[in-house]
Amino acid sequence: QQQVKQSPQSLIVQKGGISIINCAYENTAFDYFPWYQQFPGKGPALLIAIRPDVSEKKEGRFTISFNKSAKQFSLHIMDSQPGDSATYFCAASRQAGTALIFGKGTTLSVSS
Amino acid sequence: DGGITQSPKYLFRKEGQNVTLSCEQNLNHDAMYWYRQDPGQGLRLIYYSQIVNDFQKGDIAEGYSVSREKKESFPLTVTSAQKNPTAFYLCASSLLGANTGELFFGEGSRLTVL
Repeated sequence: QQQVKQSPQSLIVQKGGISIINCAYENTAFDYFPWYQQFPGKGPALLIAIRPDVSEKKEGRFTISFNKSAKQFSLHIMDSQPGDSATYFCAASRQAGTALIFGKGTTLSVSS
Repeated sequence: DGGITQSPKYLFRKEGQNVTLSCEQNLNHDAMYWYRQDPGQGLRLIYYSQIVNDFQKGDIAEGYSVSREKKESFPLTVTSAQKNPTAFYLCASSLLGANTGELFFGEGSRLTVL
């Protein structure tokens, strides 16, 4: 049973474009939803996170949109840059600081 | 520098051998985790520990064992019972109940079974 479903598996965006990655979850007990960024050969690093009491959070070019009723959340990368080329994972947990359940990842390539 | 150190970075093993992956953190975090990463599969939880001398199985614990004798250390043993051990293994840590909820990851250990 896959508790966090992520799409698309891969994404190609032109420089300056908007990258959008979507995730859906099943467990209504989840209350923490982070996005992680991973470069080849490295460990993932936290990019941005949200809790279900807000519908949107923005940090620089990165925005999380959260729809509690639909049990969906998405990552938007505005003005995508070649340096954003990486694998992105959405995740969820019941309590901040506890074990995360990850989606399968999206490989983003930003062409110059 | 504070952080998580995993070793070795690369490891080759013959079938039937047990191997132990090291994970050390100097962040004074309570909780530590082991994840396995395979292409197209995301990160899957193997084991986690929230306190010394206690740990819980994750989704794919079969064929693995761990110990938590010190707060700073959480080694993972890949036993010969693990059917498909070739993978990228990631260790992480976090503060329990922290407002940020961030998991800090090491740089990983890549295990290849020959």
